[in-house]
Amino acid sequence: SQQGEEDPQALSIQEGENATMNCSYKTSINNLQWYRQNSGRGLVHLILIRSNEREKHSGRLRVTLDTSKKSSSLLITASRAADTASYFCATDEGGTALIFGKGTTLSVSS
Amino acid sequence: GAGVSQSPSNKVTEKGKDVELRCDPISGHTALYWYRQSLGQGLEFLIYFQGNSAPDKSGLPSDRFSAERTGGSVSTLTIQRTQQEDSAVYLCASSSGLAGGGETQYFGPGTRLLVL
Repeated sequence: SQQGEEDPQALSIQEGENATMNCSYKTSINNLQWYRQNSGRGLVHLILIRSNEREKHSGRLRVTLDTSKKSSSLLITASRAADTASYFCATDEGGTALIFGKGTTLSVSS
Repeated sequence: GAGVSQSPSNKVTEKGKDVELRCDPISGHTALYWYRQSLGQGLEFLIYFQGNSAPDKSGLPSDRFSAERTGGSVSTLTIQRTQQEDSAVYLCASSSGLAGGGETQYFGPGTRLLVL
């Protein structure tokens, strides 16, 4: 079953603009992770935010977590063409595996 | 160091045939996961191995799917009597800790399976 649901499904922006993707989930979590996938291949871990954290930064990435609303957002600032990829949120409920959403497809044009 | 590797990269098979997909996790990682990703979809959990413990097979979609992990390292996912709906990218991931512990999962490049 899928836990995270990303919004929007697809996003097209120009280089230099910021990109914001949202993720909503349904149950209590230990942490939430964001992954990136290029060309339908392997995923790359971007950032993890724990349930007791509200905001986290890594380079041009900023992640927020609102456990009361069961939602998270990923902000990519000053986007580049190389940021073009699919982005997935994954929730860790303390069980066996991460639960992935369907992803947001980001297209950055130069 | 070397990441997670998977073979083959691509596999085309005929309906009804059996296929074996291989995953080599990062050395020393005790946890190994298999996921399936259908076109335009998120990842669907299939099976989880942790050390020498019995695997969590709760995500396997049917008894045509099985997996083993030999010596706590290499894993093979076997699909018997393949069906066209089995066509997907099969992704393997490994991590150094227990599931649910917030450990990063490192993914392989995947095997793209096409069942004709």
